Amino acid sequence: EVVLTQSPGTLSLSPGERATLSCRASRSISSSYLAWYQQKPGQAPRLLIYAASTRATGIPDRFSGSGSGTDFILTINRLEPEDFAVYYCQQYSTFPPKTFGQGTKLEIK
Amino acid sequence: QVQLQESGPGLVKPSETLSLTCTFSGDSISVNNYYWGWIRQPPGKGLEWIASISDGGTTIYNPSFKSRVSMSADTSNNQFSLHLNSVTVADTAVYYCARHRSSRSPFDYWGQGTLVTVSS
Repeated sequence: EVVLTQSPGTLSLSPGERATLSCRASRSISSSYLAWYQQKPGQAPRLLIYAASTRATGIPDRFSGSGSGTDFILTINRLEPEDFAVYYCQQYSTFPPKTFGQGTKLEIK
Repeated sequence: QVQLQESGPGLVKPSETLSLTCTFSGDSISVNNYYWGWIRQPPGKGLEWIASISDGGTTIYNPSFKSRVSMSADTSNNQFSLHLNSVTVADTAVYYCARHRSSRSPFDYWGQGTLVTVSS
């Protein structure tokens, strides 16, 4: 099983700042098979990024993904109030099982 | 626009079987080679993939659940179902159904989720 470890657990920033979220895999995965999701309270997760760096339909370009091997990054430029949420990474390279990270909570400072 | 909706009992007794159905619209289970999956989220915790089924009936199960879980698909009604037996309080969670385009694709459409509580 590929374990994904996200850091930090909580990130406190102000609107307008840049957020950098990390996802580290327990072993190398193809960058084609790494996704990021955003989840707001009481809502289902929403796909933001797939194949490590491709934005899903309708996702603003302030969201970007990068990385390869075992280290992946989600960057959110110029934080908007609606960006404060929990973010999860997910690998679908080696399965079963498909695995998620434990999440990073992005909160308003 | 693809829409998914979970349905099923909100309360299940320990040792019984949890059964949920996902009904989707805006697509056809038998036309495209998609996969349909279940993911759960215990209160205040993270996401856990349970299982997926393809339109052709191929199933993929999380080994953590393999002995307790099964999925089925009703192509005529655009529905697929999850059955998780011998439940315990640890199975209390919000259960989401979701679509992925292939076995190696992310979950691009999600249902709103349904809370299932396991309690006597």
